[in-house]
Amino acid sequence: QKEVEQNSGPLSVPEGAIASLNCTYSDRGSQSFFWYRQYSGKSPELIMFIYSNGDKEDGRFTAQLNKASQYVSLLIRDSQPSDSATYLCAGRRDSSYKLIFGSGTRLLVRP
Amino acid sequence: DTAVSQTPKYLVTQMGNDKSIKCEQNLGHDTMYWYKQDSKKFLKIMFSYNNKELIINETVPNRFSPKSPDKAHLNLHINSLELGDSAVYFCASSQEGYNEQFFGPGTRLTVL
Repeated sequence: QKEVEQNSGPLSVPEGAIASLNCTYSDRGSQSFFWYRQYSGKSPELIMFIYSNGDKEDGRFTAQLNKASQYVSLLIRDSQPSDSATYLCAGRRDSSYKLIFGSGTRLLVRP
Repeated sequence: DTAVSQTPKYLVTQMGNDKSIKCEQNLGHDTMYWYKQDSKKFLKIMFSYNNKELIINETVPNRFSPKSPDKAHLNLHINSLELGDSAVYFCASSQEGYNEQFFGPGTRLTVL
């Protein structure tokens, strides 16, 4: 079992819709979670991180964390074609530098 | 100014050769990392240095050897290259106490 699991997709949504990206993790010691966006041929860039149960909002993005269910999600409101990319979920234990990444979910936003 | 830079961007070589990838960051960060991303986009940590000290050393073949001459540089030397080493290698950096890791543009290594 992989430590961080994501559906590889692609997840296809129409422009303007809400895209929901999900991630589960197996290490209960993981405390902080990160969502990175990676365009094809480019490097990952951080969108958001979350470490408390509940929701965290930043513009069109909302990260959700449920530690009891070991579940992290990223919602993208008003999806745009420019949001089309691979979204990588990563977990990290406290006091650790080590990020454990999932294999990513490819998102396609149809114009 | 580029924050995290890597050279070369592309590297095509034959099996059995030895090659190096260089990374530099001008962000003043104290921690640097090497990641390998395979063809399925799976990004996996290989090594990390904090203030020139090796702090993460994942289970990778000992053909891979990192070197950090100073806080701003982290190099990766690979001996006796194999087909399975073909991947994109990303360097990243971060500052202790902060969450974000900044990634370099990547080096696409192809072993023929």
